[in-house]
Amino acid sequence: DVVMTQSPLSLPVTLGQPASISCRSSQSLVYSDGNTYLNWFQQRPGQSPRRLIYKVSNRDSGVPDRFSGSGSGTDFTLKISRVEAEDVGVYYCMQGTHWPWTFGQGTKVEIK
Amino acid sequence: QVQLVESGGGVVQPGGSLRLSCAASGFTFSSYGMHWVRQAPGKGLEWVAFIRYDGSNKYYADSVKGRFTISRDNSKNTLYLQMNSLRAEDTAVYYCAKVPYGSGTTCWGQGTLVTVSS
Repeated sequence: DVVMTQSPLSLPVTLGQPASISCRSSQSLVYSDGNTYLNWFQQRPGQSPRRLIYKVSNRDSGVPDRFSGSGSGTDFTLKISRVEAEDVGVYYCMQGTHWPWTFGQGTKVEIK
Repeated sequence: QVQLVESGGGVVQPGGSLRLSCAASGFTFSSYGMHWVRQAPGKGLEWVAFIRYDGSNKYYADSVKGRFTISRDNSKNTLYLQMNSLRAEDTAVYYCAKVPYGSGTTCWGQGTLVTVSS
């Protein structure tokens, strides 16, 4: 199975400052069709998860443009340009290239 | 709007069985693959199973393979997860989810809690 490793696992951030989360996969996430099926999810406290980013860098509908995704192959990053209070929660990367799909451990974003 | 509602959770003894259901509405259920994802108390997300739109292919996490069965009834817009030989480590909130490979509406249910305990 593909192992997804996130860092850091805890990220205290000052409001208005940027934040960055790394996600590394144990093997390439490039699928035979040329796409890379790397997703980012946000889970706010007490809520169900919500997808933010699909195929590395594409924002889902309604996701603020302060969220951006980048990377390739085995190395990916989620960035928040200016953290707002509503961004508090746990962020997960998830690969959908290889079965079984697998999540990272999660990164808890909190306000300093 | 797109909505998923899970049901069927509860308390079950180790070795017991439970069937979860997920009622879908607001989209053409028969056109989409569907997932089950779980979250143990205070822990992260764990992908559990997937079924293609027509039920032709199913995939499972190693941790549940041979014990859990995913299925669907497109005439009832309902997704199922049959869970047998339950263990304490299966205790979790179980979510059904519509997660397209690419663009498109994603949706998660509110989750249903399964507790395996004697």
